[in-house]
Amino acid sequence: AQSVTQPDIHITVSEGASLELRCNYSYGATPYLFWYVQSPGQGLQLLLKYFSGDTLVQGIKGFEAEFKRSQSSFNLRKPSVHWSDAAEYFCAVMRSGYSTLTFGKGTMLLVSP
Amino acid sequence: DTGVSQDPRHKITKRGQNVTFRCDPISEHNRLYWYRQTLGQGPEFLTYFQNEAQLEKSRLLSDRFSAERPKGSFSTLEIQRTEQGDSAMYLCASSLALGGRIEQFFGPGTRLTVL
Repeated sequence: AQSVTQPDIHITVSEGASLELRCNYSYGATPYLFWYVQSPGQGLQLLLKYFSGDTLVQGIKGFEAEFKRSQSSFNLRKPSVHWSDAAEYFCAVMRSGYSTLTFGKGTMLLVSP
Repeated sequence: DTGVSQDPRHKITKRGQNVTFRCDPISEHNRLYWYRQTLGQGPEFLTYFQNEAQLEKSRLLSDRFSAERPKGSFSTLEIQRTEQGDSAMYLCASSLALGGRIEQFFGPGTRLTVL
């Protein structure tokens, strides 16, 4: 069965500093890859997705992610974090030909002044 | 706003009662999904529909859980004889499964508390 690992439960970053959130997946073939963000009490908002092609994908709110096949990773990055980025971030995968998402446990991002 | 909507946003019930949640997808989306999210976890897939057909329901947590999408538009998720372990956020998502567009868009969720 496929699985998604987000090794960091919490991360604290100073406002204006760069951010990288890690995501690793376990699956034989390359799945479709997603990052979602969830603010307190809210549903999930899609930040970006990777299906194929260019391994560096751009998303909303200044986020980007890089797919590395050799490492089975899809890490999320942002060059300069804003206080409004404080939220929980979820990496998710979807097997090609299937329709359901498998999520990691999430990483809570805290932004310090 | 034409996003996914869910009703109610919060539900408090007593153990043993039945509850029903509603989800209205984005209007042109033909697929609708239900997920459950417990504290400290990512969402967990439960079931999904393509139009009115329920294509996957083996991941529903028990036979107390059922879902319908009778006219291929809104959907309901029912939990019978609720238990304290059913307390969670229930999320609905929709997608347009055409032309490779498989992104799922989520609603705000219904938070269930079972006393």
